[in-house]
Amino acid sequence: SQQGEEDPQALSIQEGENATMNCSYKTSINNLQWYRQNSGRGLVHLILIRSNEREKHSGRLRVTLDTSKKSSSLLITASRAADTASYFCATPAPSGTYKYIFGTGTRLKVLA
Amino acid sequence: GAGVSQSPSNKVTEKGKDVELRCDPISGHTALYWYRQSLGQGLEFLIYFQGNSAPDKSGLPSDRFSAERTGGSVSTLTIQRTQQEDSAVYLCASSLDNRGETQYFGPGTRLLVL
Repeated sequence: SQQGEEDPQALSIQEGENATMNCSYKTSINNLQWYRQNSGRGLVHLILIRSNEREKHSGRLRVTLDTSKKSSSLLITASRAADTASYFCATPAPSGTYKYIFGTGTRLKVLA
Repeated sequence: GAGVSQSPSNKVTEKGKDVELRCDPISGHTALYWYRQSLGQGLEFLIYFQGNSAPDKSGLPSDRFSAERTGGSVSTLTIQRTQQEDSAVYLCASSLDNRGETQYFGPGTRLLVL
């Protein structure tokens, strides 16, 4: 079963709007990462948030982590057409910290 | 600075043939990962290298899949007697240390087995 699962599976918004996607996981973690993938090719690391952090910002990205609910959210503010991509959360596998489990992703489409 | 590179970019092969996929990680990165991604799906972990050793091969789908890493650098993923269900994008990633935080991905190899 998936350690991390994103929600929604797909999201379509207008340019300038905010996009929020969520990730839920099952077991305790010490960190959670978000990645972006364009056109089904390589992933790009966006942000890592540790279990002792509640919120983290990077440019137009804001990530929150609620360890009590075992969930994280990624907010993209003032979205642009170039933000169109799939977004994945990755969490450490229960067996060890070096192995990360990726969810199935949220496909975001930003309409110009 | 060079990122992670993979070759070939695309590979079309006939069912039953063997294929070799290559990954060149970022210089100095000790950890190397192979993942498989089927169309519209998430990433499936295949194998992890720490240096030249592979402490976790649990994700390899069958004994037709093998991987090696030499000199703590280049890695090859070999699929023997390919099947149509092996068709997918194979992604390689490297990480500076063994914690797997901040993985740098290559562009992937798109494999199509006819």
